[in-house]
Amino acid sequence: NSKVIQTPRYLVKGQGQKAKMRCIPEKGHPVVFWYQQNKNNEFKFLINFQNQEVLQQIDMTEKRFSAECPSNSPCSLEIQSSEAGDSALYLCASSQGAGNTLYFGEGSRLIVV
Amino acid sequence: GQQVQQSPASLVLQEGENAELQCNFSSTATRLQWFYQHPGGRLVSLFYNPSGTKHTGRLTSTTVTNERRSSLHISSSQTTDSGTYFCAIAPGANTGKLTFGHGTILRVHP
Repeated sequence: NSKVIQTPRYLVKGQGQKAKMRCIPEKGHPVVFWYQQNKNNEFKFLINFQNQEVLQQIDMTEKRFSAECPSNSPCSLEIQSSEAGDSALYLCASSQGAGNTLYFGEGSRLIVV
Repeated sequence: GQQVQQSPASLVLQEGENAELQCNFSSTATRLQWFYQHPGGRLVSLFYNPSGTKHTGRLTSTTVTNERRSSLHISSSQTTDSGTYFCAIAPGANTGKLTFGHGTILRVHP
């Protein structure tokens, strides 16, 4: 069973508000991923880290999304100014290496009203 | 880009029946995982199976790499198997960036 912990489980934000989600990866897993799953079951890869360094990320041209994985602190994903289209389930996953099995947390469901 | 097609989109079974879920992908998949998503959202990894056949309990995954397809067989289905099943691939061994299919929604009635 996965031991990836995501908080909060749910968050409701007004348009323009900040939304911040946190993820504690499974112990011993240096690689962390963030995915967005929309209501149509479409998964969008957002970013992944190895330890504190970004490995890959989408072109966040709007710059509203930011993420970090500081040492000795939970990883986080933050949306600076939420929009209705950001409503989705945000899933964090960790793995022992970039090519290993991914283990997911329960997700943080964001609703932007 | 890579595409992952899952079929059927949805499936309704009576408890005890078997299910066969299909996954076809458009490019080489060095990594392939099957996931089960609980209705509450948690994704559980069922199989990491880029090639060959693997079994766990009532589940069997078979991937034929050169034909770019994988299947998930559920035998003697139970109501607790209800949920959404996803197939996801990555082209390289060293990339974690998975491409997911749209899933198969399974409902098992008592």
